[in-house]
Amino acid sequence: DQQVKQNSPSLSVQEGRISILNCDYTNSMFDYFLWYKKYPAEGPTFLISISSIKDKNEDGRFTVFLNKSAKHLSLHIVPSQPGDSAVYFCAARTGTGANNLFFGTGTRLTVIP
Amino acid sequence: DAGITQSPRHKVTETGTPVTLRCHQTENHRYMYWYRQDPGHGLRLIHYSYGVKDTDKGEVSDGYSVSRSKTEDFLLTLESATSSQTSVYFCAISGRASGNSYNEQFFGPGTRLTVL
Repeated sequence: DQQVKQNSPSLSVQEGRISILNCDYTNSMFDYFLWYKKYPAEGPTFLISISSIKDKNEDGRFTVFLNKSAKHLSLHIVPSQPGDSAVYFCAARTGTGANNLFFGTGTRLTVIP
Repeated sequence: DAGITQSPRHKVTETGTPVTLRCHQTENHRYMYWYRQDPGHGLRLIHYSYGVKDTDKGEVSDGYSVSRSKTEDFLLTLESATSSQTSVYFCAISGRASGNSYNEQFFGPGTRLTVL
């Protein structure tokens, strides 16, 4: 059973506009959430993260929002650039010592020039 | 970039043959992981290691075994490959989380395995 869900397989956005990628989770024991970006034929690269004790974390053009009561997080990219076109994975961990991550199925973002 | 390499990068094999994938790190990180990526499933954890000779199962461990005899190397073995194990395999590493400090996982470039 998928504990982390990304219900939108794809998203297209015009360059310069905001991209919003969504992620839902079911396990209330998750205490840390991460977003990874993946280009074809490469491994995922870490983008941004947020602890469950916060509701927002910002890093340049990327902001992650966490709504614990709704078990929902989102990644905002402003402004979107063509180089942002990639697959974005949401991931979560339960806080055990091994730092195991549970991943969503990914959302393919296409930024149109 | 974290120093992680995977070998081979591509492999085609036949059903029933044994296959070993290698992950090598130069970061001296304690934790190492093997994931597989499949359409519709994202990345799923196969096995992980929390130290030399210390390993444990992940979400989809059936049909796979691992070994870690040195800090820098983590091997994934398919004892008898099946077509359902056709996938892209990623290795990841992570430092130790302590207190309220969490460490993201860094991923290798992946190995594309095809089992005919």
